[in-house]
Amino acid sequence: DTGVSQDPRHKITKRGQNVTFRCDPISEHNRLYWYRQTLGQGPEFLTYFQNEAQLEKSRLLSDRFSAERPKGSFSTLEIQRTEQGDSAMYLCASRDFSEAKNIQYFGAGTRLSVL
Amino acid sequence: AQSVTQLGSHVSVSEGALVLLRCNYSSSVPPYLFWYVQYPNQGLQLLLKYTSAATLVKGINGFEAEFKKSETSFHLTKPSAHMSDAAEYFCAVTEPTGNQFYFGTGTSLTVIP
Repeated sequence: DTGVSQDPRHKITKRGQNVTFRCDPISEHNRLYWYRQTLGQGPEFLTYFQNEAQLEKSRLLSDRFSAERPKGSFSTLEIQRTEQGDSAMYLCASRDFSEAKNIQYFGAGTRLSVL
Repeated sequence: AQSVTQLGSHVSVSEGALVLLRCNYSSSVPPYLFWYVQYPNQGLQLLLKYTSAATLVKGINGFEAEFKKSETSFHLTKPSAHMSDAAEYFCAVTEPTGNQFYFGTGTSLTVIP
Protein backbone atom coordinates (compact mmCIF):
# COMPACT_ATOMS: atom_id res chain seq x y z
CA ASP A 1 0.00 0.00 0.00
CA THR A 2 1.79 3.09 -1.25
CA GLY A 3 -0.94 5.59 -0.46
CA VAL A 4 -2.69 7.98 -2.80
CA SER A 5 -0.37 9.38 -5.43
CA GLN A 6 -0.91 12.40 -7.62
CA ASP A 7 0.91 13.54 -10.70
CA PRO A 8 2.26 16.07 -11.41
CA ARG A 9 3.02 17.73 -8.07
CA HIS A 10 3.26 21.13 -9.66
CA LYS A 11 1.92 22.51 -12.92
CA ILE A 12 2.47 25.97 -14.33
CA THR A 13 0.42 26.89 -17.36
CA LYS A 14 -0.66 29.89 -19.33
CA ARG A 15 -4.22 31.12 -19.27
CA GLY A 16 -6.30 29.40 -21.91
CA GLN A 17 -4.30 26.17 -21.96
CA ASN A 18 -5.71 22.78 -21.01
CA VAL A 19 -4.24 20.78 -18.16
CA THR A 20 -4.78 17.23 -16.92
CA PHE A 21 -3.97 15.78 -13.51
CA ARG A 22 -3.80 12.15 -12.52
CA CYS A 23 -4.66 10.45 -9.26
CA ASP A 24 -3.85 6.86 -8.32
CA PRO A 25 -5.87 5.83 -5.27
CA ILE A 26 -4.97 3.25 -2.70
CA SER A 27 -5.45 -0.08 -4.43
CA GLU A 28 -8.90 -1.59 -3.98
CA HIS A 29 -10.37 1.67 -2.71
CA ASN A 30 -13.62 1.96 -4.59
CA ARG A 31 -14.35 5.60 -3.82
CA LEU A 32 -12.24 8.43 -5.19
CA TYR A 33 -12.71 12.12 -4.46
CA TRP A 34 -11.40 15.36 -5.90
CA TYR A 35 -11.09 18.52 -3.81
CA ARG A 36 -9.80 22.00 -4.55
CA GLN A 37 -7.92 24.03 -1.99
CA THR A 38 -7.20 27.71 -2.48
CA LEU A 39 -4.77 29.71 -0.41
CA GLY A 40 -5.89 30.14 3.16
CA GLN A 41 -8.91 27.89 2.77
CA GLY A 42 -9.82 24.34 3.55
CA PRO A 43 -10.36 21.81 0.79
CA GLU A 44 -13.67 22.08 -1.08
CA PHE A 45 -15.38 19.09 -2.59
CA LEU A 46 -15.48 18.88 -6.39
CA THR A 47 -16.64 15.40 -7.31
CA TYR A 48 -16.45 11.75 -6.40
CA PHE A 49 -16.53 8.32 -8.03
CA GLN A 50 -17.79 4.96 -6.90
CA ASN A 51 -15.68 2.64 -9.02
CA GLU A 52 -15.98 4.10 -12.53
CA ALA A 53 -19.26 5.92 -11.95
CA GLN A 54 -19.19 9.64 -11.20
CA LEU A 55 -21.93 9.97 -8.62
CA GLU A 56 -21.83 13.58 -7.51
CA LYS A 57 -20.49 16.88 -8.80
CA SER A 58 -20.23 20.15 -6.91
CA ARG A 59 -21.42 23.41 -8.35
CA LEU A 60 -17.77 24.41 -8.17
CA LEU A 61 -17.14 22.04 -11.06
CA SER A 62 -17.82 24.26 -14.03
CA ASP A 63 -18.25 23.02 -17.59
CA ARG A 64 -14.53 23.53 -18.16
CA PHE A 65 -13.78 20.78 -15.65
CA SER A 66 -14.15 17.11 -16.42
CA ALA A 67 -13.16 14.09 -14.38
CA GLU A 68 -12.97 10.47 -15.37
CA ARG A 69 -12.20 7.15 -13.80
CA PRO A 70 -12.46 4.85 -16.81
CA LYS A 71 -11.52 1.53 -15.26
CA GLY A 72 -12.40 2.24 -11.68
CA SER A 73 -8.76 2.61 -10.72
CA PHE A 74 -6.88 5.84 -11.49
CA SER A 75 -8.71 9.08 -12.20
CA THR A 76 -7.96 12.15 -14.27
CA LEU A 77 -9.14 15.71 -13.79
CA GLU A 78 -8.97 17.94 -16.84
CA ILE A 79 -9.39 21.69 -16.87
CA GLN A 80 -9.99 23.27 -20.25
CA ARG A 81 -9.24 26.89 -21.11
CA THR A 82 -7.66 27.55 -17.75
CA GLU A 83 -8.27 30.83 -15.98
CA GLN A 84 -6.24 32.54 -13.29
CA GLY A 85 -8.97 31.71 -10.81
CA ASP A 86 -8.24 28.03 -11.33
CA SER A 87 -4.93 28.43 -9.53
CA ALA A 88 -5.17 26.17 -6.51
CA MET A 89 -4.06 22.89 -4.99
CA TYR A 90 -6.07 19.97 -6.36
CA LEU A 91 -6.31 17.13 -3.89
CA CYS A 92 -7.37 13.57 -4.49
CA ALA A 93 -8.61 11.24 -1.76
CA SER A 94 -9.77 7.65 -1.68
CA ARG A 95 -11.59 5.35 0.70
CA ASP A 96 -12.90 1.87 0.96
CA PHE A 97 -16.67 2.19 0.92
CA SER A 98 -17.06 -1.02 2.90
CA GLU A 99 -15.01 0.41 5.74
CA ALA A 100 -17.46 1.86 8.21
CA LYS A 101 -15.47 4.74 9.59
CA ASN A 102 -15.60 6.83 6.43
CA ILE A 103 -11.93 7.78 6.48
CA GLN A 104 -10.60 9.50 3.40
CA TYR A 105 -6.90 9.20 2.61
CA PHE A 106 -5.39 12.14 0.78
CA GLY A 107 -2.65 12.46 -1.75
CA ALA A 108 -0.02 15.19 -1.72
CA GLY A 109 -1.93 17.22 -4.28
CA THR A 110 -1.19 18.95 -7.56
CA ARG A 111 -0.49 22.65 -7.26
CA LEU A 112 -1.69 24.52 -10.35
CA SER A 113 -0.48 28.00 -11.18
CA VAL A 114 -2.17 29.76 -14.10
CA LEU A 115 -0.20 32.72 -15.41
CA ALA B 1 -26.43 20.73 6.06
CA GLN B 2 -23.02 20.43 7.61
CA SER B 3 -20.31 22.95 8.31
CA VAL B 4 -17.26 23.50 10.44
CA THR B 5 -15.98 26.65 12.08
CA GLN B 6 -12.40 26.88 13.24
CA LEU B 7 -11.89 29.82 15.55
CA GLY B 8 -8.50 31.42 15.18
CA SER B 9 -6.82 31.20 11.81
CA HIS B 10 -3.42 31.57 13.49
CA VAL B 11 -2.32 30.20 16.84
CA SER B 12 1.13 30.65 18.37
CA VAL B 13 2.40 28.69 21.35
CA SER B 14 5.74 28.30 23.03
CA GLU B 15 7.55 25.01 22.77
CA GLY B 16 6.37 22.83 25.63
CA ALA B 17 3.13 24.73 26.11
CA LEU B 18 -0.40 23.41 25.71
CA VAL B 19 -1.84 23.39 22.21
CA LEU B 20 -5.57 24.07 21.84
CA LEU B 21 -7.14 24.36 18.41
CA ARG B 22 -10.86 24.98 18.31
CA CYS B 23 -13.46 23.37 16.08
CA ASN B 24 -17.22 23.76 16.21
CA TYR B 25 -19.48 21.91 13.87
CA SER B 26 -23.01 22.05 12.59
CA SER B 27 -24.74 18.88 11.50
CA SER B 28 -28.32 17.76 11.13
CA VAL B 29 -27.35 14.18 11.94
CA PRO B 30 -24.86 12.64 14.37
CA PRO B 31 -21.57 13.48 12.74
CA TYR B 32 -18.25 11.87 12.13
CA LEU B 33 -15.45 14.34 12.88
CA PHE B 34 -11.84 14.41 11.83
CA TRP B 35 -8.68 16.41 12.33
CA TYR B 36 -6.13 16.50 9.55
CA VAL B 37 -2.69 18.11 9.50
CA GLN B 38 -1.06 19.62 6.44
CA TYR B 39 2.62 20.44 6.21
CA PRO B 40 3.81 22.92 3.56
CA ASN B 41 3.34 21.65 0.02
CA GLN B 42 1.98 18.36 1.21
CA GLY B 43 -1.40 16.69 1.33
CA LEU B 44 -3.55 16.08 4.37
CA GLN B 45 -2.58 13.52 6.97
CA LEU B 46 -5.19 12.11 9.32
CA LEU B 47 -4.49 12.97 12.98
CA LEU B 48 -7.54 11.46 14.60
CA LYS B 49 -11.22 10.71 14.11
CA TYR B 50 -14.45 10.53 16.05
CA THR B 51 -16.89 7.97 14.71
CA SER B 52 -19.48 7.67 17.49
CA ALA B 53 -17.50 5.51 19.89
CA ALA B 54 -15.48 7.02 22.75
CA THR B 55 -15.88 10.78 23.00
CA LEU B 56 -12.22 11.31 23.91
CA VAL B 57 -10.17 10.35 20.91
CA LYS B 58 -6.42 9.90 20.86
CA GLY B 59 -4.48 10.37 17.68
CA ILE B 60 -0.96 10.38 16.40
CA ASN B 61 1.89 12.55 17.65
CA GLY B 62 0.32 13.00 21.11
CA PHE B 63 -2.79 14.82 19.92
CA GLU B 64 -6.24 14.16 21.25
CA ALA B 65 -9.71 15.63 20.83
CA GLU B 66 -12.94 15.46 22.77
CA PHE B 67 -16.37 15.31 21.16
CA LYS B 68 -18.84 17.43 23.13
CA LYS B 69 -22.31 17.14 21.69
CA SER B 70 -23.80 19.77 23.99
CA GLU B 71 -21.26 22.31 22.79
CA THR B 72 -21.08 21.00 19.20
CA SER B 73 -17.33 21.08 19.56
CA PHE B 74 -14.37 18.87 18.73
CA HIS B 75 -11.34 20.80 19.95
CA LEU B 76 -7.84 19.45 19.35
CA THR B 77 -5.29 19.48 22.16
CA LYS B 78 -1.74 18.44 22.88
CA PRO B 79 -0.20 18.85 26.33
CA SER B 80 3.23 19.94 25.17
CA ALA B 81 3.97 21.54 21.81
CA HIS B 82 6.96 20.46 19.79
CA MET B 83 8.63 22.41 17.02
CA SER B 84 7.61 19.71 14.55
CA ASP B 85 3.93 20.45 15.29
CA ALA B 86 4.10 23.67 13.29
CA ALA B 87 1.66 23.12 10.42
CA GLU B 88 -1.85 23.83 9.19
CA TYR B 89 -4.63 21.95 10.95
CA PHE B 90 -8.05 21.25 9.46
CA CYS B 91 -11.19 20.04 11.14
CA ALA B 92 -13.71 18.19 8.98
CA VAL B 93 -17.22 16.84 9.41
CA THR B 94 -19.16 14.27 7.47
CA GLU B 95 -22.25 12.14 7.89
CA PRO B 96 -21.65 8.48 8.72
CA THR B 97 -23.00 7.62 5.28
CA GLY B 98 -21.85 10.86 3.75
CA ASN B 99 -20.08 11.26 0.45
CA GLN B 100 -17.95 14.30 1.11
CA PHE B 101 -16.09 16.04 3.87
CA TYR B 102 -16.79 19.61 4.87
CA PHE B 103 -13.62 21.29 6.01
CA GLY B 104 -13.00 24.32 8.14
CA THR B 105 -10.77 27.10 6.90
CA GLY B 106 -7.84 25.79 8.90
CA THR B 107 -5.67 26.96 11.77
CA SER B 108 -2.01 27.67 11.24
CA LEU B 109 0.01 26.62 14.30
CA THR B 110 3.31 28.33 15.02
CA VAL B 111 5.57 26.95 17.73
CA ILE B 112 7.97 29.45 19.25
CA PRO B 113 11.28 28.08 20.54
